Amino acid sequence: KAGVTQTPRYLIKTRGQQVTLSCSPISGHRSVSWYQQTPGQGLQFLFEYFSETQRNKGNFPGRFSGRQFSNSRSEMNVSTLELGDSALYLCASSLSGTAEETQYFGPGTRLLVL
Amino acid sequence: GQNIDQPTEMTATEGAIVQINCTYQTSGFNGLFWYQQHAGEAPTFLSYNVLDGLEEKGRFSSFLSRSKGYSYLLLKELQMKDSASYLCAVRGRNAGNMLTFGGGTRLMVKP
Repeated sequence: KAGVTQTPRYLIKTRGQQVTLSCSPISGHRSVSWYQQTPGQGLQFLFEYFSETQRNKGNFPGRFSGRQFSNSRSEMNVSTLELGDSALYLCASSLSGTAEETQYFGPGTRLLVL
Repeated sequence: GQNIDQPTEMTATEGAIVQINCTYQTSGFNGLFWYQQHAGEAPTFLSYNVLDGLEEKGRFSSFLSRSKGYSYLLLKELQMKDSASYLCAVRGRNAGNMLTFGGGTRLMVKP
């Protein structure tokens, strides 16, 4: 089975621009979660989608948004980029997001905001 | 809210045993995960504990005490390839799939 895939792997943007990142979960997985990883803050939860609905949201400003498609693929969007948005954005998938399930992470998209 | 603490860095010798501790304070608890992350790579799943006790998986074991808000990851017969960051993550009750991660422990294995 193919793992979680994320595109693009690397991205350079400038302040004020917006960016869209994509995540394809493991086949059959319907829950997709997004995390931001920075050296200072570590891994922080952004949001989770299941069956095209946002099920949980972390403590991030409204500039961060996402969506999930009927095939479980997910995208996240960051508008009006700030320097502090430079980070590794990780996507993780699981079957249905129940308590016992393991989340499997993709390789991440490394975003640099200049 | 949730707070998770783990040491920032540890060093150990090849062939030895190392224990990485994690303490947590959560509003509700629904499982604790350990992930390994090599530099520049994605976190990979190591273990999951939801009940008290020890879970063993080959060279890796993980322990949980819910009453103490404490877990540890035990790595035996250390190999150079075990040099990585080890992330402790907790899922709170009614938190869906949201994991709260500690800052990670960077383990350096020396020959």
